[in-house]
Amino acid sequence: GAVVSQHPSWVICKSGTSVKIECRSLDFQATTMFWYRQFPKQSLMLMATSNEGSKATYEQGVEKDKFLINHASLTLSTLTVTSAHPEDSSFYICSASGPAREQYFGPGTRLTVT
Amino acid sequence: AQSVAQPEDQVNVAEGNPLTVKCTYSVSGNPYLFWYVQYPNRGLQFLLKYITGDNLVKGSYGFEAEFNKSQTSFHLKKPSALVSDSALYFCAVREAGNAGNMLTFGGGTRLMVKP
Repeated sequence: GAVVSQHPSWVICKSGTSVKIECRSLDFQATTMFWYRQFPKQSLMLMATSNEGSKATYEQGVEKDKFLINHASLTLSTLTVTSAHPEDSSFYICSASGPAREQYFGPGTRLTVT
Repeated sequence: AQSVAQPEDQVNVAEGNPLTVKCTYSVSGNPYLFWYVQYPNRGLQFLLKYITGDNLVKGSYGFEAEFNKSQTSFHLKKPSALVSDSALYFCAVREAGNAGNMLTFGGGTRLMVKP
């Protein structure tokens, strides 16, 4: 139980385009989802926290207009990187938290912007 | 505010030897402590957690960790390391009663187990 999936697992896009990453809780209802960014050989940096049906709360320094987060249902949250640039290339990881408040992590999405 | 420190960027150990990956934390109240492992280009895999009770917590793959409140530490240990244990390890903390469930991660420690 408690499986979180992410799609796609990796994506390459051209500079200036937008890319959407999906995070799904497969067997539980996620009241809260978290989006992290991880640079090579570094720790996870929390980008934002989203609760179903409400606006995401962004961490300081994260551009909310660039990283659009939607948590439309209890099993799906999306992160859209708008007008991507090479510096947005990174490993993006989501986690989902249900009523038990335990966090379960997705496998991550590697984004490469060329 | 809550924080986690992993003082070692890398730990090297020979296969078959015991390993320790260090973690210290800081929270205002009681801590919930976690260890995760990450393999290259993969997400985090849960190893073990301390919520309450016995200070020695046993987890997946033969790993264990000891909660030491006086030293505010939660070091990860394994009696006999395997080459396949080589990976990136993260310690994380959140404060009990943290309604936002937000985890704070340490910087990570790379474990290298050599044959």
